[in-house]
Amino acid sequence: GNSVTQMEGPVTLSEEAFLTINCTYTATGYPSLFWYVQYPGEGLQLLLKATKADDKGSNKGFEATYRKETTSFHLEKGSVQVSDSAVYFCALGSPGGSYIPTFGRGTSLIVHP
Amino acid sequence: DGGITQSPKYLFRKEGQNVTLSCEQNLNHDAMYWYRQDPGQGLRLIYYSQIVNDFQKGDIAEGYSVSREKKESFPLTVTSAQKNPTAFYLCASSSQGSNEKLFFGSGTQLSVL
Repeated sequence: GNSVTQMEGPVTLSEEAFLTINCTYTATGYPSLFWYVQYPGEGLQLLLKATKADDKGSNKGFEATYRKETTSFHLEKGSVQVSDSAVYFCALGSPGGSYIPTFGRGTSLIVHP
Repeated sequence: DGGITQSPKYLFRKEGQNVTLSCEQNLNHDAMYWYRQDPGQGLRLIYYSQIVNDFQKGDIAEGYSVSREKKESFPLTVTSAQKNPTAFYLCASSSQGSNEKLFFGSGTQLSVL
């Protein structure tokens, strides 16, 4: 079945540091891949998405590239801010009519001034 | 603005009591989901619904019940059979199933008195 593996957190960085959060997946077919962000006490919101191999999703300085050969979708940002502190979830959809997305366990990011 | 609304934000349950969490969406989405999130944990699927008057159990349905009488509404009842109900509950919706992004509500924090 489908699965998503994220790196364990928390990830602790100083402001302006480079961020990488690793995400690998196992899936059948060609699912869309997503990164969601959750700020404290709130629901998840979509950060970025990629729908096919070699697609790069980007938003608010964050980027992730759909790598089919390595089954990965790592999240990166060149210079993090304190306001980026949140929990980040990698997720994959499922084509062909399945209605159950697969989420990773989430990675907490803490950015210090 | 279109969106998904959960209420209440905070809810307290007494022993032996059933409580109902509300989820309403005006996005005209067919699919709706309920997730449970425990501190430091990922999302666990409770129930999902692909269409009105139909719903399926997720991974942790025991002690919970749902209904889907209207397209825009998917209430979750936490029954007295759920012995450890304290958690953050998230409702989500999607237009075409899991290969499209999910829209999340802002969540309900349920605690036991």
